[in-house]
Amino acid sequence: DTGVSQDPRHKITKRGQNVTFRCDPISEHNRLYWYRQTLGQGPEFLTYFQNEAQLEKSRLLSDRFSAERPKGSFSTLEIQRTEQGDSAMYLCASSLIRGAKNIQYFGAGTRLSVL
Amino acid sequence: AQKITQTQPGMFVQEKEAVTLDCTYDTSDQSYGLFWYKQPSSGEMIFLIYQGSYDEQNATEGRYSLNFQKARKSANLVISASQLGDSAMYFCAMRDLRGSGGSNYKLTFGKGTLLTVNP
Repeated sequence: DTGVSQDPRHKITKRGQNVTFRCDPISEHNRLYWYRQTLGQGPEFLTYFQNEAQLEKSRLLSDRFSAERPKGSFSTLEIQRTEQGDSAMYLCASSLIRGAKNIQYFGAGTRLSVL
Repeated sequence: AQKITQTQPGMFVQEKEAVTLDCTYDTSDQSYGLFWYKQPSSGEMIFLIYQGSYDEQNATEGRYSLNFQKARKSANLVISASQLGDSAMYFCAMRDLRGSGGSNYKLTFGKGTLLTVNP
C-alpha cells in the first residue's frame, strides 16, 4: 500500500523564479490537502480538494500560489515569483471520506529554500 | 477559531520509561476530533492516534494512549515503554467535525514538542 508521495523532496531556487511541486495521494483517497510548515511551527492549512474541485483556500495562499488537481488524482502546487518568505516545508496529505475520523495521511514534504 | 497549545518545547525520557506530552485546546465547537502526529527528522507526519469529542473512552493505539479530559480541554499523549525510535517532533492537532465548507476538513496544529529518548 503506497503512501502519499511528494516530489521533489528539496528545491532550491532564486527569488523571482517559479516553482512547482507535485503530490500523489494514496490511490483511493478522494480528498487532498496542502499545508505549509515554517521552522519551529506546526503545519498551517493552505488549500483542500475533494476529487478535482478546490473547495477551500486559506488567506495564506496569495495570488502567487495556485493549486490544481486535474482528474482528481495527483495535485500540483505552483508558486510564482518566489520570495524569501516562501521558504518552508510544503506538506501534502490525503484522506478518504469514511466516518467522522477522516484521518489525513501526510507525505514527506517538499522543502523549499528561496535564495 | 480553534487553537492548540503545546507548552513543552522539548522533553527528555529514558528508554523504556513512559512519557506524557501535553496538549490543551480551545474551541467553541461541540463536535471535534483531536489528533496526534509524529514527525521524525525525515519530515513525514505520521498519524498516531485519534480522539473524538464524544468518545467516552480514552483512545489507545499500541504504546500510545490519549488522556482526554474534556472539561479541562486537554488531550495529552502518553507513550509507554519509550524506544530510541520515538525521538521526534510530536504535534497535537484538532479538527471541527461539523460546520460548513472546508472548515471541518482542515487540521489546526500546535507548535509541537521535541521528544528525545536517551539510551
